[in-house]
Amino acid sequence: GAVVSQHPSWVICKSGTSVKIECRSLDFQATTMFWYRQFPKQSLMLMATSNEGSKATYEQGVEKDKFLINHASLTLSTLTVTSAHPEDSSFYICSARGGGDNEQFFGPGTRLTVL
Amino acid sequence: AQSVTQLGSHVSVSEGALVLLRCNYSSSVPPYLFWYVQYPNQGLQLLLKYTSAATLVKGINGFEAEFKKSETSFHLTKPSAHMSDAAEYFCAVAYSSASKIIFGSGTRLSIRP
Repeated sequence: GAVVSQHPSWVICKSGTSVKIECRSLDFQATTMFWYRQFPKQSLMLMATSNEGSKATYEQGVEKDKFLINHASLTLSTLTVTSAHPEDSSFYICSARGGGDNEQFFGPGTRLTVL
Repeated sequence: AQSVTQLGSHVSVSEGALVLLRCNYSSSVPPYLFWYVQYPNQGLQLLLKYTSAATLVKGINGFEAEFKKSETSFHLTKPSAHMSDAAEYFCAVAYSSASKIIFGSGTRLSIRP
């Protein structure tokens, strides 16, 4: 199956700093990428949907100025958590879809801890 | 609005026993339905999906699910549990082939030796 990678796999940062997470589709072109957030022992919550070359569509309640999403190419999307605070600590998962049917391929996730 | 409800946040079965994870959906139109598995600190892996073809869908690792429109259900089963099946399982629904996927709350499956 298709492979999606995320980098870094885990990151620890100080409160007030910004953190960038990368999501790459390694062997296919991802026309659409999704970013999810998952709290411990909870389900995935969709944060935003991004299509290559256009602005991301954010879900209700997600601060677009805090969670900056860029999908500049068909193989790369980035999520930047700006001015991170401890409540932003979470597991962030991206997925990518290459078009056609609705199978999304998920990355391994990034564990963010904000001190 | 579409949604899925997973009954039971935690299911425990003995090794070799039947696995049954329950999922009910709410959709005004025939949905796309999915089951995903997540191992600790990992992303999600697709087990199987229903896209309005056969109502009995076979997936990987011996899992299967049956779409029952009359019951609005899409329960996941496996005849004989293996220790390696211990993980978190998510049922999910989509409105169409191009729409976003909505996940259920998840069911943690534990396997007793």
